[in-house]
Amino acid sequence: AQSVTQLDSQVPVFEEAPVELRCNYSSSVSVYLFWYVQYPNQGLQLLLKYLSGSTLVKGINGFEAEFNKSQTSFHLRKPSVHISDTAEYFCAVSDWSVRSGGSNYKLTFGKGTLLTVNP
Amino acid sequence: KAGVTQTPRYLIKTRGQQVTLSCSPISGHRSVSWYQQTPGQGLQFLFEYFSETQRNKGNFPGRFSGRQFSNSRSEMNVSTLELGDSALYLCASSLRGSFNQPQHFGDGTRLSIL
Repeated sequence: AQSVTQLDSQVPVFEEAPVELRCNYSSSVSVYLFWYVQYPNQGLQLLLKYLSGSTLVKGINGFEAEFNKSQTSFHLRKPSVHISDTAEYFCAVSDWSVRSGGSNYKLTFGKGTLLTVNP
Repeated sequence: KAGVTQTPRYLIKTRGQQVTLSCSPISGHRSVSWYQQTPGQGLQFLFEYFSETQRNKGNFPGRFSGRQFSNSRSEMNVSTLELGDSALYLCASSLRGSFNQPQHFGDGTRLSIL
């Protein structure tokens, strides 16, 4: 079964500093990768996705992520964070398998990384 | 375009009761998935519905059930509530639920069991 590991549960940084949130997944066969952000009392909002093509993916709010197939990683980066980036960030992997009677699609999430940006 | 709408936003129930949560997907989206989010377990997949059929299911007991209507709206029901069912329940929709399509989430229903 697919698993997603977000290596840091909490990342505190100062405003305008760079940040990297790390994500590793267990299987590199036919996967698609996503980063979501969750602000307090809200649902998840898509930041960016990797489906195919260039391994460097740009998303909203100045975030980007790099897909590394050999290391099964999909780390999220931002060169300069703002206080408004304080939120929880989730890495998710979508994979697909064939089972009896049809196909099976599943989205597996990591445990999340709480990014706190301090002034 | 309206987003995913979940109602109610907050619910308080007692042990043994049952509850029904509602989700209206983005217009045109036919796949609806449900997730349970807790501080300890994170986001866990409950089930997915597509064209009124449950297509995929997570590892939850039979007390958790759902259905989807012809207009793609979905409901989730939890019977015989337990304290451990306290969580944020999130609904997500996508066009066809294909594995290369991102899901769009509602703001969730926060369920508290007393």
